[in-house]
Amino acid sequence: SQKIEQNSEALNIQEGKTATLTCNYTNYSPAYLQWYRQDPGRGPVFLLLIRENEKEKRKERLKVTFDTTLKQSLFHITASQPADSATYLCAPSGGSQGNLIFGKGTKLSVKP
Amino acid sequence: GAVVSQHPSRVICKSGTSVKIECRSLDFQATTMFWYRQFPKQSLMLMATSNEGSKATYEQGVEKDKFLINHASLTLSTLTVTSAHPEDSSFYICSARDSRTVYEQYFGPGTRLTVT
Repeated sequence: SQKIEQNSEALNIQEGKTATLTCNYTNYSPAYLQWYRQDPGRGPVFLLLIRENEKEKRKERLKVTFDTTLKQSLFHITASQPADSATYLCAPSGGSQGNLIFGKGTKLSVKP
Repeated sequence: GAVVSQHPSRVICKSGTSVKIECRSLDFQATTMFWYRQFPKQSLMLMATSNEGSKATYEQGVEKDKFLINHASLTLSTLTVTSAHPEDSSFYICSARDSRTVYEQYFGPGTRLTVT
C-alpha cells in the first residue's frame, strides 16, 4: 500500500538556521507533491506544489526538491524564524479521486 | 484568493443527535471537495470525495449512512454526522480543489466536533 514517511516527528533548530524536512514515499509514483503548514487547531495552509518533472521549486525562503528516483522530497526553510514554528505536512498525490495522501507531519520549533 | 471557509468552527452535541458542517469556497469554484478527519497527533485521513452534482465517494471503512455528504453547488459541500457518538469526536477538515488549476487543494480552518 502507499506509504508516506516524514523524517521525524519533531525538529528543533536555532533561529537563522536552515530547516530541512524530509518526506519519503513508497509503493507508488505521485504525479505531484504538495507541502502544507498546519498550526494547532487549524486547517493546513498550502505552501508549495512540485510536479514530477520538476527538480526544484522556490518561494521566498522556501525551497522544495523532488527526486523521483529516491522517492523523496526535501523541504527547506532558510533563515528560519520563530514564526515558522508549526507542523509541516507532506502530501503526494495518489488517490484514485485525485486526493492527497498525507504524512504525519514534522513539528518544527525555531528557537530565538 | 483561494479561501475556504467552514462553519461552525466548533460544536458540542449530545450523543444521538445530528450535526451539519458546511464547507464553502469563497473566491473560486470547486468541482471537487474532500472531507478529512484528524485525530490528535495523527495525519489527515480522507473520509470521502465530493463531486458537484453527483454522489460522494467514500473511503473504505467510512459509513456513508452515518456521514452524509452533499455537494449541491460549485461552492458548497456539507457533511452531516448522523446519530453522533463520542467516538465521532474529532477535527473535521474540508478541502476544495480549484477547477481552474486542477492540482492545488485549499483547506478550510476545520471544525472541532465534541460529542458528549
